[in-house]
Amino acid sequence: GAVVSQHPSWVICKSGTSVKIECRSLDFQATTMFWYRQFPKQSLMLMATSNEGSKATYEQGVEKDKFLINHASLTLSTLTVTSAHPEDSSFYICSAPPGVDLGNTGELFFGEGSRLTVL
Amino acid sequence: SQQGEEDPQALSIQEGENATMNCSYKTSINNLQWYRQNSGRGLVHLILIRSNEREKHSGRLRVTLDTSKKSSSLLITASRAADTASYFCATDGKYGNKLVFGAGTILRVKS
Repeated sequence: GAVVSQHPSWVICKSGTSVKIECRSLDFQATTMFWYRQFPKQSLMLMATSNEGSKATYEQGVEKDKFLINHASLTLSTLTVTSAHPEDSSFYICSAPPGVDLGNTGELFFGEGSRLTVL
Repeated sequence: SQQGEEDPQALSIQEGENATMNCSYKTSINNLQWYRQNSGRGLVHLILIRSNEREKHSGRLRVTLDTSKKSSSLLITASRAADTASYFCATDGKYGNKLVFGAGTILRVKS
């Protein structure tokens, strides 16, 4: 199946710093990627839809200036948590649909997630 | 917002037993999917069932869908310790590929 790579898998930072998380589709092109956030023992909450070549679409309640998304190419989307605070500590997961060239079945391929801890 | 609800929240069974998890949703859908998540990892797609399908099988997995009740169930037969994970249902509906996930069921299979 299609592979989505996410990096870093974990990061610890000081309050006030910015952290960038990368999401790459390794063997397919992803015009769209989705960023989710997951708190311990909870479900995934969609944060935003990343669109290649255009602005991301944010879900209600998600601060676009706080969570900067850049979909620079057909294989890379980045999420930058700006001026991170302890309440931003969470598990961030990206995903992408396989696209037409892989037979768009409606399923999503997920990265392994990035655990952010803000001290 | 989350639209899927799952029950039970947690399920503990012995190896070899069957595990059944249920999912309910609120809006119309094109398809419903089930995913598995090992602790601290990403999600892995298990099975997709379309709105015009009632039942689907894949190996030890059996999924049913009742669109009149807006509910689905996932049955794992002959469970193994390696099946221990969280299981989530996800629906698309009007969102297309943008999936909305249920609360999840934590399954523990004891050997």
